[in-house]
Amino acid sequence: GAGVSQSPRYKVAKRGQDVALRCDPISGHVSLFWYQQALGQGPEFLTYFQNEAQLDKSGLPSDRFFAERPEGSVSTLKIQRTQQEDSAVYLCASSLGDSSYEQYFGPGTRLTVT
Amino acid sequence: AQSVTQLGSHVSVSEGALVLLRCNYSSSVPPYLFWYVQYPNQGLQLLLKYTSAATLVKGINGFEAEFKKSETSFHLTKPSAHMSDAAEYFCAVSFSGGYQKVTFGIGTKLQVIP
Repeated sequence: GAGVSQSPRYKVAKRGQDVALRCDPISGHVSLFWYQQALGQGPEFLTYFQNEAQLDKSGLPSDRFFAERPEGSVSTLKIQRTQQEDSAVYLCASSLGDSSYEQYFGPGTRLTVT
Repeated sequence: AQSVTQLGSHVSVSEGALVLLRCNYSSSVPPYLFWYVQYPNQGLQLLLKYTSAATLVKGINGFEAEFKKSETSFHLTKPSAHMSDAAEYFCAVSFSGGYQKVTFGIGTKLQVIP
């Protein structure tokens, strides 16, 4: 079956622009996670959804970052007024349940802010 | 706070040699531990996980890891390296009891020399 998909795969934004990154999780997966992976680093947690409820957003670096999953499937990560430090790969993962379950990762969206 | 430390950001082995990637965790409660592999321009793929069952865990592609509580370690091994094992490997930790944030290490890049 289909895995986790993310779009766009690459995004170049001028500083100050708003961007929206999309994640299509595996059908039936309850949990959805967003991570930020800076160059040469491991993924860092941003936020977690269980169905449509955002249960943990403690990793969002600023109020310019906003995530939603209105119908409990597709999720969008929005970054307002992008800054150069936002340049990173944004990974989405989904799983059947809590963090003891395997997380299936998408290929990521590479965001470059110029 | 939970954390993992991966010793060695780059490891080189000869084809056919033993692979040993080190991971130590910090935790005050029993952890769940994971190893993920990331190939260039791809998302992370789960190699194996420990969730408080057998301490020796076997994963895909011939990899295994042993949970050693006394050493707070979860090192990843493979008896004989193959060229296709060249990738970046991430150790990660979370905890039992419903949703818990997954924390990743900074990764170890494995080079396999022919």
